[in-house]
Amino acid sequence: DQQVKQNSPSLSVQEGRISILNCDYTNSMFDYFLWYKKYPAEGPTFLISISSIKDKNEDGRFTVFLNKSAKHLSLHIVPSQPGDSAVYFCAAENQGGKLIFGQGTELSVKP
Amino acid sequence: DTGVSQNPRHKITKRGQNVTFRCDPISEHNRLYWYRQTLGQGPEFLTYFQNEAQLEKSRLLSDRFSAERPKGSFSTLEIQRTEQGDSAMYLCASSLVRAVTDTQYFGPGTRLTVL
Repeated sequence: DQQVKQNSPSLSVQEGRISILNCDYTNSMFDYFLWYKKYPAEGPTFLISISSIKDKNEDGRFTVFLNKSAKHLSLHIVPSQPGDSAVYFCAAENQGGKLIFGQGTELSVKP
Repeated sequence: DTGVSQNPRHKITKRGQNVTFRCDPISEHNRLYWYRQTLGQGPEFLTYFQNEAQLEKSRLLSDRFSAERPKGSFSTLEIQRTEQGDSAMYLCASSLVRAVTDTQYFGPGTRLTVL
């Protein structure tokens, strides 16, 4: 059973516009969520996180929103840049700190 | 701070051979995690250490897999009698556990190909 789901395998956005990446989870006990960015042949790079006591966290061009009642989170990138093209993974922290990842969404930002 | 490092970056081996990977975490990080990622999937948890103690192992970690973290510093992941299904990217991450949450920082991974 997939506890963390990213239902869009890919997303294409024009440079300068907003990118919205979505993530759903099933376990209401999850209370800490993270977004990672991954380039080919590299490990995931931490982007931004959010605790369940908040519904929004911002860091520069990146904002994560958390809707606990819907068990849904989203990552907004504004404005999108070609260098943002990568695979984005959302993850939920489980017992012991281990992360449960979604399948990833490949973002392509076109000039 | 040089980040998490992993060696080797790539390993090609024949079925039935043993392989060992090494992970050097960020210094002073007390937790170290191993994950495996296959094509089109997100990383899947394998095992983790707090200092030198191995606290949890996933069902994915068969008896052919063993991990160690002597002295709570670097860690090794050994796969014995490799099978083609072991071909994957093996990722290591480390974190410094604080009161509530911790952020895991990943290494570049070791890509294993079993022929």
